[in-house]
Amino acid sequence: SAVISQKPSRDICQRGTSLTIQCQVDSQVTMMFWYRQQPGQSLTLIATANQGSEATYESGFVIDKFPISRPNLTFSTLTVSNMSPEDSSIYLCSVEATGSNTIYFGEGSWLTVV
Amino acid sequence: AQSVTQLGSHVSVSEGALVLLRCNYSSSVPPYLFWYVQYPNQGLQLLLKYTSAATLVKGINGFEAEFKKSETSFHLTKPSAHMSDAAEYFCAVSGSSYGQNFVFGPGTRLSVLP
Repeated sequence: SAVISQKPSRDICQRGTSLTIQCQVDSQVTMMFWYRQQPGQSLTLIATANQGSEATYESGFVIDKFPISRPNLTFSTLTVSNMSPEDSSIYLCSVEATGSNTIYFGEGSWLTVV
Repeated sequence: AQSVTQLGSHVSVSEGALVLLRCNYSSSVPPYLFWYVQYPNQGLQLLLKYTSAATLVKGINGFEAEFKKSETSFHLTKPSAHMSDAAEYFCAVSGSSYGQNFVFGPGTRLSVLP
């Protein structure tokens, strides 16, 4: 399995501001994914981030709102832009460990927008 | 396309009793199936996975799940519940080894009563 670290683990943010979440993996992985988990809900895939290419966004998510960087095979960032209270969620980074047919998750970043 | 249903958003059992969490899936291709657990204020942890080997899959913490193709089910069981099992459990299906095809169920919250 992969060890995935996310920062920040928690934050309280002001409406209208932006926050960047970092995801660091202890091994090189091809595919990294960003999920959102709204309060009391299941997980929704925001986008897939491959190194060296633009992120692929799922329906309902756009790059202007959730810009993603993937500068190398062990790191990615997700920015939540112009936040509103509706963006209060857990944001989870996950990776597919090469050859494992499985995705693993970080501990999540718990954002509250006030 | 894949989909997952989990019967019962909330299940309560007594400590020492059998745990049964239900998962049914829909997939147009042979599925990969997973159970993840989310303890309070934590990220998701892989419990177990089915990837077309043995139909009875053993996971961590005494959990196991049985893949039944005829019933399109992948129910999670544990013979004897422990207080520490209280958590949210998510069933997930993937039609391939790529994380972008993961679909998560709505989750089942397990409460363990003393």
